[in-house]
Amino acid sequence: AQSVAQPEDQVNVAEGNPLTVKCTYSVSGNPYLFWYVQYPNRGLQFLLKYITGDNLVKGSYGFEAEFNKSQTSFHLKKPSALVSDSALYFCAVRPGDSSYKLIFGSGTRLLVRP
Amino acid sequence: DTAVSQTPKYLVTQMGNDKSIKCEQNLGHDTMYWYKQDSKKFLKIMFSYNNKELIINETVPNRFSPKSPDKAHLNLHINSLELGDSAVYFCASSPRTGSTEAFFGQGTRLTVV
Repeated sequence: AQSVAQPEDQVNVAEGNPLTVKCTYSVSGNPYLFWYVQYPNRGLQFLLKYITGDNLVKGSYGFEAEFNKSQTSFHLKKPSALVSDSALYFCAVRPGDSSYKLIFGSGTRLLVRP
Repeated sequence: DTAVSQTPKYLVTQMGNDKSIKCEQNLGHDTMYWYKQDSKKFLKIMFSYNNKELIINETVPNRFSPKSPDKAHLNLHINSLELGDSAVYFCASSPRTGSTEAFFGQGTRLTVV
């Protein structure tokens, strides 16, 4: 079965420290990988994506993510966290054999304390 | 202008009622989706339409019926609402190519009492 795993329900980090939100996937073909952020009572906002090329992709608000094919992972990172980064983060994968289905992980709540 | 807009934003209704949620996108995308986000924040795809044609129909009760009058609109009609239908429903759209991200609406919070 095709799936996306976000092993941490919550990640806590102090402001100014680096943060990592983990994502691993199990899908067929060469997938397209995405990160989205959801603020309270809001829709999902696109952060970044990996399609092909350089394994390190940069996105909005200073976030970046590293694609690792051998580990089937796509971890979200930021060198220096802000309190305003506190939100719910979703990893999503579009399988290589399907242009239509976007499979989401269970979400990770990021809490950045001052 | 809002790229993907859903109405209503909040919907409170009694069990057994029939209700509809509307979605419109002004991005010129070919593909539209409905996702359900439950109380634990899990996001699960329900339906996907491409150019008014149903592409994905996940295991969803047939009380849920999507309708796409044109490629800019994808409405969701729910018959005989049940308590378990309470959730946030998100509409999204994307171009046909798989490499492009989907754009999401703000969600419709449905509460069945």
